[in-house]
Amino acid sequence: AQSVTQLGSHVSVSEGALVLLRCNYSSSVPPYLFWYVQYPNQGLQLLLKYTSAATLVKGINGFEAEFKKSETSFHLTKPSAHMSDAAEYFCAVSGLNSGYSTLTFGKGTMLLVSP
Amino acid sequence: SQTIHQWPATLVQPVGSPLSLECTVEGTSNPNLYWYRQAAGRGLQLLFYSVGIGQISSEVPQNLSASRPQDRQFILSSKKLLLSDSGFYLCAWSGGLASNEQFFGPGTRLTVL
Repeated sequence: AQSVTQLGSHVSVSEGALVLLRCNYSSSVPPYLFWYVQYPNQGLQLLLKYTSAATLVKGINGFEAEFKKSETSFHLTKPSAHMSDAAEYFCAVSGLNSGYSTLTFGKGTMLLVSP
Repeated sequence: SQTIHQWPATLVQPVGSPLSLECTVEGTSNPNLYWYRQAAGRGLQLLFYSVGIGQISSEVPQNLSASRPQDRQFILSSKKLLLSDSGFYLCAWSGGLASNEQFFGPGTRLTVL
């Protein structure tokens, strides 16, 4: 079975500061990992995904994440936060459930950006 | 390109009333389809998924049910709503591989009073 732990339900940064959102996973097979962003009252939008190619994955809106197998981590970073980055972020791991692919999500991290 | 629709966008229903939420996908065929519920502070809870017409797998026992009458249509239903059914319901689709991301609809906000 797969699981995802996102450390910190809320993260606050100042505009222009580094964004670091933490995600640790557990998987019995080589994982596929995803980061999604959700703005209020909207669906989830894919930021980036790791599918066993390069360990450093670049996504949309200047975000990137690094897969570290030894640490079972897939932390999301952005060098400089913008006000528009304020949203909830979800990390997810793909797994097989009765032979079919499903995603297991973390509980989410709300990113707050102050001017 | 593929798009996913959900309706209604918002719904307020009394306890004990029935429910029907609809999700449709355009621009792809034979997608895997998913229903999630999102409650504050609890992340996304997978309710049902479907790999084909009439094939439904339930993740959590509850008073909800799902049906897939057509390839690109997924319906979430209840005969009698409970207060605890309130939440934000999201439909998603994906291809059949574990490496495929899921694409989410805009969601339905359900309030049960």
